[in-house]
Amino acid sequence: ETGVTQTPRHLVMGMTNKKSLKCEQHLGHNAMYWYKQSAKKPLELMFVYNFKEQTENNSVPSRFSPECPNSSHLFLHLHTLQPEDSALYLCASSTSPSGANVLTFGAGSRLTVL
Amino acid sequence: DQQVKQNSPSLSVQEGRISILNCDYTNSMFDYFLWYKKYPAEGPTFLISISSIKDKNEDGRFTVFLNKSAKHLSLHIVPSQPGDSAVYFCAASEEETSGSRLTFGEGTQLTVNP
Repeated sequence: ETGVTQTPRHLVMGMTNKKSLKCEQHLGHNAMYWYKQSAKKPLELMFVYNFKEQTENNSVPSRFSPECPNSSHLFLHLHTLQPEDSALYLCASSTSPSGANVLTFGAGSRLTVL
Repeated sequence: DQQVKQNSPSLSVQEGRISILNCDYTNSMFDYFLWYKKYPAEGPTFLISISSIKDKNEDGRFTVFLNKSAKHLSLHIVPSQPGDSAVYFCAASEEETSGSRLTFGEGTQLTVNP
């Protein structure tokens, strides 16, 4: 499979649950990103990874914990979330995090926190 | 403070006519601008970009215009087709310093009526 693949596509969880979102890219890109899209708001950058190393954490609460075991895989571990964390979480990748590079996005994981 | 704004949440045009989507920004350090298109249940896909050294970039039916003095850019689609119906996001970055760290607008829902 090519492109950026995100699983699960939909997730419903309670505030005390622990769950993870997964992202996989087969584009040979070295940089990976997590974005959050809430209703009627712009996409917000959460984390940036370059060659598996986190290069940016955009003041994201610690209940979101990213993991990048290699340049092709990115996870977002979720723990004790709040209802306001319900949103579409988009993974993206690019050849590198610097320069005028175009991001390739996955289809997103729609998260609902009850 | 939102640095990239798309003031029209929605736009409706007739097939064959021109669609004009607008975007304003406040950060004078932005020097690279992109438009992404998003269909329901899919991730945003790159459409067209423009560097601040240019004031126009054209790709088939899509043209992006940049007015640096007004901090305004627009996307023209002509002729519009029903398949163009999607949400269009404007994005900007400081290419030299933060590369792929894109700041997005809220999006404009374009509907092209047959």
